[in-house]
Amino acid sequence: AQKVTQAQTEISVVEKEDVTLDCVYETRDTTYYLFWYKQPPSGELVFLIRRNSFDEQNEISGRYSWNFQKSTSSFNFTITASQVVDSAVYFCALSEGATGANNLFFGTGTRLTVIP
Amino acid sequence: DGGITQSPKYLFRKEGQNVTLSCEQNLNHDAMYWYRQDPGQGLRLIYYSQIVNDFQKGDIAEGYSVSREKKESFPLTVTSAQKNPTAFYLCASSPGTGGFSKPQHFGDGTRLSIL
Repeated sequence: AQKVTQAQTEISVVEKEDVTLDCVYETRDTTYYLFWYKQPPSGELVFLIRRNSFDEQNEISGRYSWNFQKSTSSFNFTITASQVVDSAVYFCALSEGATGANNLFFGTGTRLTVIP
Repeated sequence: DGGITQSPKYLFRKEGQNVTLSCEQNLNHDAMYWYRQDPGQGLRLIYYSQIVNDFQKGDIAEGYSVSREKKESFPLTVTSAQKNPTAFYLCASSPGTGGFSKPQHFGDGTRLSIL
């Protein structure tokens, strides 16, 4: 079974629109970590945020915000007033266990295209 | 600037040939990782190393080999046993202990193709 599901394969929005990228995860561990990474056309993955399973507070960083809901096993990512530079593939990832010893499970990514 | 350097950016392999992908970091990170990315898919772990002279297999280690003789370097060899090596390869590192629970820093990747 897929541990991290990003059901949206591709999304296109017009510049200045808000967009939400969905992430649903599956784990039996009580301690785990969730991540979002951005992969621009240049190829490298850029770390955006990490959230541990005990911290359900939503996070806002500039135009980016994250909504973590354990009740629905979701960790969604919203970009407000999108810009062309936001165009990239975005990956959600899960690390299980207190020490994160096992692996980092990636979703299949959501390709976001922001149209000027 | 501190970071991870992968080379070459593009690499071509002939049938039956071994090739080595380079990964160097100057972030003083203890842990290093190799991932494979195929089109439309997420990253899959090939090998990882938490400390010098030690490494573990990931989910898709068959046909690959690594070494970790220095903290800064974690080269990946794609052997002739890897029957479908065409992919984008990403190297990453993370600080201290805590394994996969720590954010990882990534290189720019190497794109490997079969001639």
